Amino acid sequence: DAGVIQSPRHEVTEMGQEVTLRCKPISGHNSLFWYRQTMMRGLELLIYFNNNVPIDDSGMPEDRFSAKMPNASFSTLKIQPSEPRDSAVYFCASRLAVVYEQYFGPGTRLTVT
Amino acid sequence: GQNIDQPTEMTATEGAIVQINCTYQTSGFNGLFWYQQHAGEAPTFLSYNVLDGLEEKGRFSSFLSRSKGYSYLLLKELQMKDSASYLCAALNQAGTALIFGKGTTLSVSS
Repeated sequence: DAGVIQSPRHEVTEMGQEVTLRCKPISGHNSLFWYRQTMMRGLELLIYFNNNVPIDDSGMPEDRFSAKMPNASFSTLKIQPSEPRDSAVYFCASRLAVVYEQYFGPGTRLTVT
Repeated sequence: GQNIDQPTEMTATEGAIVQINCTYQTSGFNGLFWYQQHAGEAPTFLSYNVLDGLEEKGRFSSFLSRSKGYSYLLLKELQMKDSASYLCAALNQAGTALIFGKGTTLSVSS
């Protein structure tokens, strides 16, 4: 299996621009997670999907962030407009079932200048 | 509230044994995970404990005490490649959220 696939791997953009991060979970996994990792705050859960439905988005920082999962094999995380404080590594992870481990993608390193 | 505490940094030498502690306070609990993260890479799964006791997997072991809200990761026969950040994470009761600690950066020297 190819594992969780994320694109782009690196993104540099200017403040105010729209950023779209993409994720393809492992085939057959029914849960998908978006995380953000910074030195200051560590790894934080942004949103969790189960069977393509958003279950918990309490970690989404504000209305500038939105996430979708139109089908079982694709999810996006969008930031509009982006701000310098959004600079972080964004990880997507997928999971087969509740008590199974999450598999993380390689991450997208976002830099907003 | 929800809180995961683990030491920020630890150092050890090759061949030694190191124990990384983690204490947690969460609203509901459905198990404790340990992940390893090398610099610039994604976290990778090491272990999962849901019952009290010790789980051994090769050079790595993980322990859980639910009554004390405490876990540790034990690494034996340390190797240079074990230099990484080790993340403790608690799964909430519903299984919907994995709450991560900030990680313990382990440096292994020769």
